[in-house]
Formats: sequence, C-alpha cells, structure tokens
Amino acid sequence: AQSVTQLDSHVSVSEGTPVLLRCNYSSSYSPSLFWYVQHPNKGLQLLLKYTSAATLVKGINGFEAEFKKSETSFHLTKPSAHMSDAAEYFCVVSDVGQGGKLIFGQGTELSVKP
Amino acid sequence: DTGVSQNPRHKITKRGQNVTFRCDPISEHNRLYWYRQTLGQGPEFLTYFQNEAQLEKSRLLSDRFSAERPKGSFSTLEIQRTEQGDSAMYLCASSLDFGGQETQYFGPGTRLLVL
Repeated sequence: AQSVTQLDSHVSVSEGTPVLLRCNYSSSYSPSLFWYVQHPNKGLQLLLKYTSAATLVKGINGFEAEFKKSETSFHLTKPSAHMSDAAEYFCVVSDVGQGGKLIFGQGTELSVKP
Repeated sequence: DTGVSQNPRHKITKRGQNVTFRCDPISEHNRLYWYRQTLGQGPEFLTYFQNEAQLEKSRLLSDRFSAERPKGSFSTLEIQRTEQGDSAMYLCASSLDFGGQETQYFGPGTRLLVL
C-alpha cells in the first residue's frame, strides 16, 4: 500500500534563508508525487508535481522538489523564504491504477520569522 | 471564477440532524473527489466519481454517508444522523483524467461543526 511520511511536523526559518521540507514515500508502483500548500482559511493549492519525467521539478513561487527513487524521497526546497510562505505543506502520493486518489502526509507547518 | 466551488462554506448542526454539501467542479472535469480533513491532519480520501459513476468508496465512508453526482456535473455529499465525530472540513476536488497524469484542483471546503 502506498503511504507518505513527512519527517517534520513543524519547520521554522528566518526570512531570506533556505527552506527544506522533508518527505519520504512508499509505493508499489511508479508514483505520481505532489506538494500542495494550504494557507489559513484557504483551499489547497498545487505547488508542483512529479510524474516520471525530469527528477527535479520546479513549481510555483520559487519552490522545487527532487525525486530520488533510491532514497524514496521527494523533499521540497526553496532558496530564500518569504513571509508569505508561512502555511501548511502536504506531500502527496497518487498511484497510477488506484483511481487517482491522493494519499496525503500529515503536513508540515512552515513558520517564517522576520 | 472557474475553479471548484463548494457550498455552504460553513455549517453548524446539532447531533442527529442531516446535512448536505454541494460541490461544483471545474467544467468538463470528468473526475470528482471528496476528502475529509480533521484538525492537524492531512486530508483523507472518501470517494470519487468518474462522470456520474461512483467508482470507489473508502472504509471511512460509513452507511450514514452518501454521495451522488447526477448527470456527471455537480456532486452532493449527505451525512445522515450526524455525530460529533463528523466535525471536519469536507473538501472536494476535480480533475480531467488522461492516462493517469491528472492533477486534482481543490475547492475551499465546507467546515462542519456538529454540536
């Protein structure tokens, strides 16, 4: 069965410093992987997705993630944090052949200090 | 606005009452999903439709829950005899399926509080 583990429930960074949100996945098949962001009182927004093309995926707002099959990881990074990046981030897996349903991690809350 | 919409955005009800939520997907999206999110957790899959056919239901979806998608357009999720444990955010998402490369777009959710 597929699953996702987000290794940190909360990450705090200073504005202008790098962001690293860690995610490991488990999947029986070749997975599609996503990162979604959820700002308070707003809907889930897709940041980026990996679907077996390039292993380094670029998303919106300067975020990117690297798919590493050998490590079963899909960590999210950003070179320089902005105050507006403060939100909840979800790593998500979807297996081809499983109807497309998404399996979410527990989430990582990102705080950005001025 | 051509995104996914959900109504109502908030619902407060008393235990034992029935509630119904509506989701309007992005037009021409053939798949529609329902998820539930409780405080401090990631969303959990409930059920999904391909056009008007309900193809999968999670074990989380007890027999008090029913979902429909008549004519393959909007969808409704009904909870009968609500319980306090049903309090959660109910999220709807839609996608266009094309060979397993779909992306799901989420609505703002309906927050349910059962007193």
